[in-house]
Amino acid sequence: EPEVTQTPSHQVTQMGQEVILRCVPISNHLYFYWYRQILGQKVEFLVSFYNNEISEKSEIFDDQFSVERPDGSNFTLKIRSTKLEDSAMYFCASSERGAWGFADTQYFGPGTRLTVL
Amino acid sequence: AQTVTQSQPEMSVQEAETVTLSCTYDTSENNYYLFWYKQPPSRQMILVIRQEAYKQQNATENRFSVNFQKAAKSFSLKISDSQLGDTAMYFCAFEFSGNQFYFGTGTSLTVIP
Repeated sequence: EPEVTQTPSHQVTQMGQEVILRCVPISNHLYFYWYRQILGQKVEFLVSFYNNEISEKSEIFDDQFSVERPDGSNFTLKIRSTKLEDSAMYFCASSERGAWGFADTQYFGPGTRLTVL
Repeated sequence: AQTVTQSQPEMSVQEAETVTLSCTYDTSENNYYLFWYKQPPSRQMILVIRQEAYKQQNATENRFSVNFQKAAKSFSLKISDSQLGDTAMYFCAFEFSGNQFYFGTGTSLTVIP
């Protein structure tokens, strides 16, 4: 069964450094997402991406964050200058078009645990 | 604004028994999807079950079923014949535009042997 993959599984970085989290969505999916989950808290939406552009973003997704689909398979999240509070699990998800013309079920990757020291 | 509320932070159930997890949501939309995701200690988000709002029939997936009450904006998950592997955090989620999921705060379920 196709699945979303994410690399690395765990990333440790120093505060102020740039990190790139990578995701390979399911191949025929058209919608892509990033979420984050601070330990012990709920999953929070960061950004959605469709047709090579951002569809929606949350307040969390400020100028320090960017997303890119550099080729036909990868979907990346970049954090330019990491802060301590960016420490969290980051989930990528993808979805195909549903019955009403927009996205349907989102399938999540296993997550990347980001630790900022 | 869309909100999802899970009022039970923690629950426990004896192995082989049945447990129901509650979820309510608030929306003015008419067409949408509702989901339950399971997050075991590995923290992977695993889809448990999905419900389309236009369908009156409640979704079922093996031991998992939902009680969807659209007018009451309620979407509870029933787990029958609970197994030790069901121990996990369970998140209710709502989607209407394809742009994002709105998640509840989760219910931590422990299955007791």
